[in-house]
Amino acid sequence: DQQVKQNSPSLSVQEGRISILNCDYTNSMFDYFLWYKKYPAEGPTFLISISSIKDKNEDGRFTVFLNKSAKHLSLHIVPSQPGDSAVYFCAATTYGGATNKLIFGTGTLLAVQP
Amino acid sequence: NAGVTQTPKFRVLKTGQSMTLLCAQDMNHEYMYWYRQDPGMGLRLIHYSVGEGTTAKGEVPDGYNVSRLKKQNFLLGLESAAPSQTSVYFCASSRMGYRELFFGEGSRLTVL
Repeated sequence: DQQVKQNSPSLSVQEGRISILNCDYTNSMFDYFLWYKKYPAEGPTFLISISSIKDKNEDGRFTVFLNKSAKHLSLHIVPSQPGDSAVYFCAATTYGGATNKLIFGTGTLLAVQP
Repeated sequence: NAGVTQTPKFRVLKTGQSMTLLCAQDMNHEYMYWYRQDPGMGLRLIHYSVGEGTTAKGEVPDGYNVSRLKKQNFLLGLESAAPSQTSVYFCASSRMGYRELFFGEGSRLTVL
């Protein structure tokens, strides 16, 4: 059972426009969410995160929104740049015990067209 | 500062062969993880460790073993490789109390 879902395998946007990547989760125990960015032949790198006590977190061109009632989060990139072209993974975790396991979604391939 | 380093980067095995992937981190992180990435499946946790000498199973542990004899190293072993284990393997580490994971560059394994 996929606890974290990214239903759009790919997304194409024009340079300068907004990119919106979506993520849904099923486990109501998740209390922290992260977005990772991955270029080909490289490891994922941390992009932005949000705690369940917030509904928005912003870092430069990147903003993550969390809707707990809908169990939905989204990543907005404004304005999109060609260098943003990558696979974006949504991840979630629960705080409990001594671990920090992340559950990842399947990823969305973003292509930003010049 | 190298961060998380994985060796080897590429490996081709025949069915039934064994091998070990090595992960080393120089950030003095307490926690370490092994994930595999497959098309359409995202990143799935194989095994993890919360400290030297401790390991635990993740989502897809079957067919793999791990060891954490030193704090900075986390080894992933395949005793008898199967074609289903063809994948890209990522090691990651994190500090206790922090949610962010730092990933290595990945190891691409092909089992024929």
